[in-house]
Amino acid sequence: QKEVEQDPGPLSVPEGAIVSLNCTYSNSAFQYFMWYRQYSRKGPELLMYTYSSGNKEDGRFTAQVDKSSKYISLFIRDSQPSDSATYLCAPMDSNYQLIWGAGTKLIIKP
Amino acid sequence: DSGVTQTPKHLITATGQRVTLRCSPRSGDLSVYWYQQSLDQGLQFLIQYYNGEERAKGNILERFSAQQFPDLHSELNLSSLELGDSALYFCASSVALAPGELFFGEGSRLTVL
Repeated sequence: QKEVEQDPGPLSVPEGAIVSLNCTYSNSAFQYFMWYRQYSRKGPELLMYTYSSGNKEDGRFTAQVDKSSKYISLFIRDSQPSDSATYLCAPMDSNYQLIWGAGTKLIIKP
Repeated sequence: DSGVTQTPKHLITATGQRVTLRCSPRSGDLSVYWYQQSLDQGLQFLIQYYNGEERAKGNILERFSAQQFPDLHSELNLSSLELGDSALYFCASSVALAPGELFFGEGSRLTVL
């Protein structure tokens, strides 16, 4: 079993929809949880991160962590075609290393 | 533009050969990370350097080696190449020892024929 599980998709939704992207993890010691976005043929870029359980909002994006169920979510409101990318969740372990999910490919249809 | 520069962008070579990938981190960043990304494996951490010293090792093969130079640029050496080494190799940098925010280059795409 991988430490971080993420559905590779693709997930295809119409423009304007609310998108929910999810990860599960196995290590209860994870405290920081990152979301990176990767456009095709580009390197990943940090979208947002959260510490411990709870929600964090940044514009149209909301990151949510439920440590009791070891479940990480990223919500995108009013999705745009420019949001089409691969989204990678990456918790940080106790050695300060990021443990990467496989990424979910998201397609927003105009 | 992340500020991280990787060269070459594309590389095609034959099995058994050796290649060197180069990375210049963002100005002021002391940590350099190397990752391998292939279609079926996702993003795999290879190795991290901090201010010239190796700090962490991931799933790096013995045929691969890396170093970080005094000017903080880093090189990843891949030898005795196999077909399965074909992948996108990313370099990322961060200012501190702990990743916090990683800044990725655009990657070097290696094709082994």
